[in-house]
Amino acid sequence: DTEVTQTPKHLVMGMTNKKSLKCEQHMGHRAMYWYKQKAKKPPELMFVYSYEKLSINESVPSRFSPECPNSSLLNLHLHALQPEDSALYLCASSRLEKLFFGSGTQLSVL
Amino acid sequence: GQQVMQIPQYQHVQEGEDFTTYCNSSTTLSNIQWYKQRPGGHPVFLIQLVKSGEVKKQKRLTFQFGEAKKNSSLHITATQTTDVGTYFCAGVANSGYALNFGKGTSLLVTP
Repeated sequence: DTEVTQTPKHLVMGMTNKKSLKCEQHMGHRAMYWYKQKAKKPPELMFVYSYEKLSINESVPSRFSPECPNSSLLNLHLHALQPEDSALYLCASSRLEKLFFGSGTQLSVL
Repeated sequence: GQQVMQIPQYQHVQEGEDFTTYCNSSTTLSNIQWYKQRPGGHPVFLIQLVKSGEVKKQKRLTFQFGEAKKNSSLHITATQTTDVGTYFCAGVANSGYALNFGKGTSLLVTP
């Protein structure tokens, strides 16, 4: 069982919609991540938050907007997505560089 | 930039056969990690190797880190159907800050 909780598990949205993905962990980890994973591919790093501050943005388009309201929560705001953005979005936290992933949100953009 | 190559891409074995996946980096790694992702699931941390030449075992799984800290392997002895999934290696370069994942090896085990 994962200790990183993501909601929703599935999301279908149109290209004009605005939606948010949510992630929560209570392990006291101070680094949190967003990854994007396409089918049969490895996870791709999108953003890293360290001590609630954005420390890494891997050249992600501005239609993805991360937010870290506190040390336990991480959001990913989505706006004007494209069909090619359809993927599994994984949240993770880390301790000593070891990643603990949530179950992910399977996103479909129509 | 750092690249982590992983082979084979796919492996299909009969239950009871052994399985090995190999990971190779273009640069020296500070550590390497292995993750398993079941079909429809999320990556789950298996192990981290830090020392040159390190070997660690978890039941039927044996993990090795090369002497030059540029390569690693995962060996499964006597595979079971519960071993099905994709195995990813992920490395952190000495000069880097984030994990770079290999492309993964998908293991299929038939009874």
